[in-house]
Amino acid sequence: AQKITQTQPGMFVQEKEAVTLDCTYDTSDQSYGLFWYKQPSSGEMIFLIYQGSYDEQNATEGRYSLNFQKARKSANLVISASQLGDSAMYFCAMRARTGTASKLTFGTGTRLQVTL
Amino acid sequence: SQTIHQWPATLVQPVGSPLSLECTVEGTSNPNLYWYRQAAGRGLQLLFYSVGIGQISSEVPQNLSASRPQDRQFILSSKKLLLSDSGFYLCAWGRERERHEQFFGPGTRLTVL
Repeated sequence: AQKITQTQPGMFVQEKEAVTLDCTYDTSDQSYGLFWYKQPSSGEMIFLIYQGSYDEQNATEGRYSLNFQKARKSANLVISASQLGDSAMYFCAMRARTGTASKLTFGTGTRLQVTL
Repeated sequence: SQTIHQWPATLVQPVGSPLSLECTVEGTSNPNLYWYRQAAGRGLQLLFYSVGIGQISSEVPQNLSASRPQDRQFILSSKKLLLSDSGFYLCAWGRERERHEQFFGPGTRLTVL
């Protein structure tokens, strides 16, 4: 069974600073994918970034980067130059393949608050 | 581009009443479709997924059922709601190639009283 652990229920960061949101995972699969989603107060889930288990380089998408340490089974999200609009819940998720579908297992999330 | 719709956006229902939540996807064909539930302050739990019309897989035993009557339509139902069915219900479609990411609809907030 797959498991995602996010140990930070809440984080604060000042505007324009960088912040790291932690995510560790557990799986026996050799091939897997890791995702980060943002959930603002409106409730929608917004895809941010993806890291494949065989990707040799850390993924980057604009101000988002994923610090992937396979041996430690961690996939931390780094947000650079934080903005007030980054305040939201952030979820780490892992993909498992089952037949022709991909199932996502989510962590419990981290609430990020960006302050002035 | 692809879009995903859910309705209603919010719903308040009495215990024991029926439920029907609808999800439709535009701009893609033969998508994999997913229903998730998010309890207050928690992560998402996968309830059902579908790889095609009439094909439904259930992840957890529960009071709910799902159906896929058309390629881009996914319905979540219940004959009799329980208090524990309250939550935020999200539909997603999956791009089953490249990164296999899933894209979510706006969600339905269900309160059972």
